[in-house]
Amino acid sequence: GEDVEQSLFLSVREGDSSVINCTYTDSSSTYLYWYKQEPGAGLQLLTYIFSNMDMKQDQRLTVLLNKKDKHLSLRIADTQTGDSAIYFCADTQGANNLFFGTGTRLTVIP
Amino acid sequence: KAGVTQTPRYLIKTRGQQVTLSCSPISGHRSVSWYQQTPGQGLQFLFEYFSETQRNKGNFPGRFSGRQFSNSRSEMNVSTLELGDSALYLCASSLAGGESEKLFFGSGTQLSVL
Repeated sequence: GEDVEQSLFLSVREGDSSVINCTYTDSSSTYLYWYKQEPGAGLQLLTYIFSNMDMKQDQRLTVLLNKKDKHLSLRIADTQTGDSAIYFCADTQGANNLFFGTGTRLTVIP
Repeated sequence: KAGVTQTPRYLIKTRGQQVTLSCSPISGHRSVSWYQQTPGQGLQFLFEYFSETQRNKGNFPGRFSGRQFSNSRSEMNVSTLELGDSALYLCASSLAGGESEKLFFGSGTQLSVL
């Protein structure tokens, strides 16, 4: 079955760039997503990338997709304390059926 | 525009009881999906409804059920509660469930089974 793996923790200093990595096994995914979850809140869609793209940039966020290696990454430029949260990558398995990774807890040190 | 609203926010039940959780999607959204989030299993898809019909179902036992009303509001029910059902239950909505659509999540219902 599908498997989506992420490292559990990442700490960065405020102002530095953060890179969160994700590997997946299902090569048929059309879209891949990045979600953010803050304490006590639901998930917020940050960005997504179509599977035939290599890169997508959206303000401070850059998504890189390597289909050959089934590797997805999210880069956050100029990381702020408000970026501290859990970040999930996900791919689609059907209508609104997302398969989520384990989540990476990002801690931004002032 | 109001977001996805889930009620109640917190719930405490005992083993063997049943529970009903409610979700009001964003106005105009017709697809509603439910997820279970636990520390051990992470986020897992329960089911998705569109126009009152279940279109997709995850790998959960029959004790987990749901329904959608004509106004797109949805409920999920868990019968014969087990300790392992303790979790954050998240509801999400989108216009029609298309892959490129933005999926909006509610804040969830935190269920504790004692």
